[in-house]
Amino acid sequence: QVQLVESGGGVVQPGRSLRLSCVASGFSFSDYVMHWVRQAPGKGLEWVAVISYDGSNKYYADSVKGRFTISRDNSKDTLFLQMNSLSADDTAEYYCATEGEGGCSSISCYAYFQHWGQGTLVTVSS
Amino acid sequence: DIQMTQSPSSLSASVGDSVTITCQASQDINFYLNWYQQKPGKAPKLLIYDVSNLATGVPSKFSGSGSGTDFTFTIRSLQPEDVATYYCQHYDNLPYSFGQGTKLEIK
Repeated sequence: QVQLVESGGGVVQPGRSLRLSCVASGFSFSDYVMHWVRQAPGKGLEWVAVISYDGSNKYYADSVKGRFTISRDNSKDTLFLQMNSLSADDTAEYYCATEGEGGCSSISCYAYFQHWGQGTLVTVSS
Repeated sequence: DIQMTQSPSSLSASVGDSVTITCQASQDINFYLNWYQQKPGKAPKLLIYDVSNLATGVPSKFSGSGSGTDFTFTIRSLQPEDVATYYCQHYDNLPYSFGQGTKLEIK
């Protein structure tokens, strides 16, 4: 069965960096566009970033553009989110998610988030 | 960027009732509208994609309709296990965005 397992969250000071990972299993990871979505404590869902199936195209929410970098290693079935210059506003549960279908030749085609990881909590605090 | 406005923000209904949530987009999003259910402490779960298509394994008590800018999500025969927060999400163009959520409770 499809499984997404995030890791790398924790407590970090403002201005510092953190790298999140999402290991995929149970499906052909390299065929799927992948996303990061976050949720601040007690708040709603916020879409963060997307990466194409081959890693050649990426797009970010304005709130993280220039600070966060999404990447993937298809040989290791792993998605990453490098987060730099963190602030308290970045405190959230971070989820990785798959698009609904594979075989997308564009940056994103079927952006209904079919499968989600369990999330990893990032807390930015001094 | 497209803004998604959900209403109501919270809702209380009785077991067996039907409830409806609305979602309005700030511009035409065609049929690129999805609905998710999130229970406390859990990841969101896809319920409906492309306005009205049920995700795999989702019971037919959940339904969606609409087009353009105005969309609705309905739950029939409300049960205690339906207590959750429900979100709409568009994917007409990047950046994608979610509605602010509707918290559903049982009376």
